[in-house]
Amino acid sequence: AQSVAQPEDQVNVAEGNPLTVKCTYSVSGNPYLFWYVQYPNRGLQFLLKYITGDNLVKGSYGFEAEFNKSQTSFHLKKPSALVSDSALYFCAVRDMTGGFKTIFGAGTRLFVKA
Amino acid sequence: KAGVTQTPRYLIKTRGQQVTLSCSPISGHRSVSWYQQTPGQGLQFLFEYFSETQRNKGNFPGRFSGRQFSNSRSEMNVSTLELGDSALYLCASSLEAGGAADTQYFGPGTRLTVL
Repeated sequence: AQSVAQPEDQVNVAEGNPLTVKCTYSVSGNPYLFWYVQYPNRGLQFLLKYITGDNLVKGSYGFEAEFNKSQTSFHLKKPSALVSDSALYFCAVRDMTGGFKTIFGAGTRLFVKA
Repeated sequence: KAGVTQTPRYLIKTRGQQVTLSCSPISGHRSVSWYQQTPGQGLQFLFEYFSETQRNKGNFPGRFSGRQFSNSRSEMNVSTLELGDSALYLCASSLEAGGAADTQYFGPGTRLTVL
């Protein structure tokens, strides 16, 4: 079965420093990976996705993610964090077995301190 | 284009009642999925509809049901509400079902509180 793991419940970073939110995946077949962000009392906002091609994927709001097949990882990164980046981040994998659904990780809460 | 809309945004019900939540997808999107989000269980897949047909269902009891109309709008229904049904219910739409590369766009959610 497809699955994703976000090993950190919380990540703390100072404003202006680079940030990384980790994600590892387990899939059979080609991985279709996504990152979403959720602000308080809001739905999920799409950041970026990896389908195929270049291992470095660029997304919204200056975020990027690096797909690493050998390490089965898809870490989210940003060169310089902003206080407004503080939110809940979800990694997800598309599960095509038995239908069409998206499996989400448990989420990582990012705190950016001014 | 307008985003995914969900109504109502907030709902308070008592145990044993039933509730219907509504979702209007982005114009042109034909696939609608529903998710339940709770602090303990995270985001869990409920079901997915495409062209008025349920294509996939998560591991939820039969009290949870849904449907999709010809205009792609979707509703989900929960009967005989339990305290544990309190959650944020999220709807997501995408262009078409079965497209692994399709991006799902989420609505703001309906916050259901069961007393």
